[in-house]
Order: sequence, then structure tokens, then C-alpha cells
Amino acid sequence: DTGVSQDPRHKITKRGQNVTFRCDPISEHNRLYWYRQTLGQGPEFLTYFQNEAQLEKSRLLSDRFSAERPKGSFSTLEIQRTEQGDSAMYLCASSFMFGGAKTQYFGPGTRLLVL
Amino acid sequence: AQSVTQLDSQVPVFEEAPVELRCNYSSSVSVYLFWYVQYPNQGLQLLLKYLSGSTLVKGINGFEAEFNKSQTSFHLRKPSVHISDTAEYFCAVSGASTGGGNKLTFGTGTQLKVEL
Repeated sequence: DTGVSQDPRHKITKRGQNVTFRCDPISEHNRLYWYRQTLGQGPEFLTYFQNEAQLEKSRLLSDRFSAERPKGSFSTLEIQRTEQGDSAMYLCASSFMFGGAKTQYFGPGTRLLVL
Repeated sequence: AQSVTQLDSQVPVFEEAPVELRCNYSSSVSVYLFWYVQYPNQGLQLLLKYLSGSTLVKGINGFEAEFNKSQTSFHLRKPSVHISDTAEYFCAVSGASTGGGNKLTFGTGTQLKVEL
């Protein structure tokens, strides 16, 4: 049983460029979450999907951010026109919404540095 | 909405000594509570969780935590730490209602540093 995987693990980009991250959840999990973690802080919720539907977006998710989960499997998070303030670790997590589990399992994260 | 306060940003402790990492939460609804550990440049690993039932929960690596509803606390303890326990520890809370998405709200973390 493989865990949550994220790609790439590291990304360095120049300000103004677009970047896209991918998350592959645990196969039977129907919920997928994105969080952002800046240095010295705890992760902050960005958005989540239940199957292919995006059910909630944080106000942290500006118009430059878009997330998709086609077919309810993997998810992508795109940042357009990156800014230095976007530099952070982007974490993906998945969970199974039914039953007593309610536990989110996290991937290794994608660390973004915007120059 | 929920919030989490981790009262200590850093906790130094000698190897084989006991440790307690404090966590207090605020919520207007029933909650689930979690402790995660993060090693440098890695994602978060679940240590333990409280969903319902017994207020004393045991997790991996010898850690345990006690849910105290009256004090709105969920402190993490280990009777004897090892050098390998050096890491960042995050307390997190989610609403217990499935309809709310169970998104996690994290504290700012406690850096546990185990010294020889």
C-alpha cells in the first residue's frame, strides 16, 4: 500500500512564472486536501476535494491559484504569475470520509522557492 | 471555526527524560484531535488521534495523549525520549461533522530537541 505521493519535491522558479504541482492520493481515499506551510508555521488549509468536486476553498487561495481533481484521482495545484510570497511547502493529504477513520495522511510535500 | 494554541515553541530535554508538549484548542463544535510529527524537509506523520471514546490515546513510538474536554487540552507525553524524537510536533483539530470537510487547523508547532 503506497502512501500519498507528490511531484516535484522541489521547485525553483522566477517571479511571474507559472508552476504546477501534482498529488497522487492513497488509492481508495475519496477526499484530497491541499495545505501550505511557511517557515516556522503550521500548515494552513487551502482547499479540499471530495471525489472530483472541489467543496471548499480558503480565502488564502487567491485568483492566481487553481486546483483540479479530474476523475477523482490525482490532483494538480497551479500557481499563475508566482510571487515571492508564494515560497512555501505545499502539502497534499488524503482521507476516507466514511467510517471512523477521519485521518488525513500527508505526502512529502513540494517545496517552492520563488526568486 | 477552530483554533489551536501550542504554548511552547521549543522544548529542550535530555535523552531518557520524560516530556510533555502542550496543546489547547478552541471550538464551538465537537472536535477530533491529532498530533503529527514532522522531520526536516519531510511531510507530516500521524502520531496519534482522538476521535471518541477513551480520553487516553496511545500512538506510535511510545507517545500518548490525553483529551481533557473541560480544559480543552490535548497534551502529548512520552515517558522516556530518544535522540531520534528530535523533530517538530504539530497539534491539529478538525470539526467532527463530516459535512464540514474535516479540514485540519494546526498549531504553530513545538520543536522538540533531545540532547545527550
